Amino acid sequence: EADIYQTPRYLVIGTGKKITLECSQTMGHDKMYWYQQDPGMELHLIHYSYGVNSTEKGDLSSESTVSRIRTEHFPLTLESARPSHTSQYLCASSEDSVSPYGYTFGSGTRLTVV
Amino acid sequence: GEDVEQSLFLSVREGDSSVINCTYTDSSSTYLYWYKQEPGAGLQLLTYIFSNMDMKQDQRLTVLLNKKDKHLSLRIADTQTGDSAIYFCAERYSSASKIIFGSGTRLSIRP
Repeated sequence: EADIYQTPRYLVIGTGKKITLECSQTMGHDKMYWYQQDPGMELHLIHYSYGVNSTEKGDLSSESTVSRIRTEHFPLTLESARPSHTSQYLCASSEDSVSPYGYTFGSGTRLTVV
Repeated sequence: GEDVEQSLFLSVREGDSSVINCTYTDSSSTYLYWYKQEPGAGLQLLTYIFSNMDMKQDQRLTVLLNKKDKHLSLRIADTQTGDSAIYFCAERYSSASKIIFGSGTRLSIRP
């Protein structure tokens, strides 16, 4: 059972609106990640964090921003949504000290901007 | 640079074996993973293998690792309709590094 939660699961919103996608984990993991997944399946890392007050941009440039004020919470914000932001957003976390050091993923938020 | 490649699609008949292949470029990879993504869901760790192993079997799943050729495969025996999903191959250099994912293979099952 997943211990990482994303809300909302689905969101349809108008162009220009500000939105925040929530991601919370109860496992005490230091590292957290945001991926954007296109309909073509490929995962693109857009943000990651290695701990509180630490955030980095990922491999794919994104207009979104993130914050990490608490270990368990890693929200992603779009200040002004556009149709090009329509995608599936996946949050993940990991713990370096526990083999096999894999990522735990949330169920995702499917965002549609109209 | 790091890169993980997979074929995009695989179609198999129900009851047959499925073999999903993956190649990676980082010869220093220490951990290799297979993740499964069902429709509308996140990724779930299916199985993994450490680089000092050649093979790992877990019920219907068999993972084969050829380090010389940097080739990883996942075999699913007696494929069922519930195995329909996207399968991601992934590698990790160390416990402290990020995981690099392949582009995913969509497995479809035909009756």
